[in-house]
Amino acid sequence: KQEVTQIPAALSVPEGENLVLNCSFTDSAIYNLQWFRQDPGKGLTSLLLIQSSQREQTSGRLNASLDKSSGRSTLYIAASQPGDSATYLCAPGGNMNTGFQKLVFGTGTRLLVSP
Amino acid sequence: EPEVTQTPSHQVTQMGQEVILRCVPISNHLYFYWYRQILGQKVEFLVSFYNNEISEKSEIFDDQFSVERPDGSNFTLKIRSTKLEDSAMYFCASSAGASVYGYTFGSGTRLTVV
Repeated sequence: KQEVTQIPAALSVPEGENLVLNCSFTDSAIYNLQWFRQDPGKGLTSLLLIQSSQREQTSGRLNASLDKSSGRSTLYIAASQPGDSATYLCAPGGNMNTGFQKLVFGTGTRLLVSP
Repeated sequence: EPEVTQTPSHQVTQMGQEVILRCVPISNHLYFYWYRQILGQKVEFLVSFYNNEISEKSEIFDDQFSVERPDGSNFTLKIRSTKLEDSAMYFCASSAGASVYGYTFGSGTRLTVV
C-alpha cells in the first residue's frame, strides 16, 4: 500500500526566499508523480507532472525532481511570493505492477510567505 | 484548457437522504475518479472507473456508494443514505491514462450532512 509523507508539515518564510518541499513514498512502481496546490477551501490545481522516466520538470519558478528508486520527490520554489501561500500536495500516481491508476496523496506542506 | 466540471458546488442534505454528485470529465479522457477530503484531513481515494466499470475502490467505498456513467459525458457519485461523517469535499478527476498523462481535478462539491 502506497504511503506518502511530506516534510515539513508547515513552513513560514519571508518573501524572496528559495524553498524546498520534500515528499517521500513507499512504493516506487509508479507511473508518475504530480504536485498540486490547494488554497483553503478550494480545489486542487496541478503544478507539475513528472513521468516515471523523467528526473525533473520545471514551470516558471517551480522545479520538481523525482528519484523513483529512493522514493523521493522535491518541489523547489524560487524567490517565493505571498501569492505562493497555500498547501502543496505531492501525489504519486498509479502502480506499474497492478496497472492501477489512482493517485495517493500526502498530507501536504502548508506554506505561508510573508511580505 | 479543458476542465473537469462538478455540480453542485455546495450541497446540504439531511442525514439518511440520498445525494448524487455530478461531474463532467474531460471529453477524451478514459479514466474517472472520485476522491474526498474531510475538513483538515488529506485527500483520500474513493473509486476509479474505466471502460464502464469500477477498476479499483477503497475501503471507504462501501455499499452506500455507487458510481455511474449514465451517458457519454456525465460521471456521478451516489451516496444512498448519508451519514454525518460523509460531510466532506468531494473531488472528481479524469485522466487519459496515468502511464503518460496526469490527472485533472474538478473544483469539488462541498457536501454537508446535517
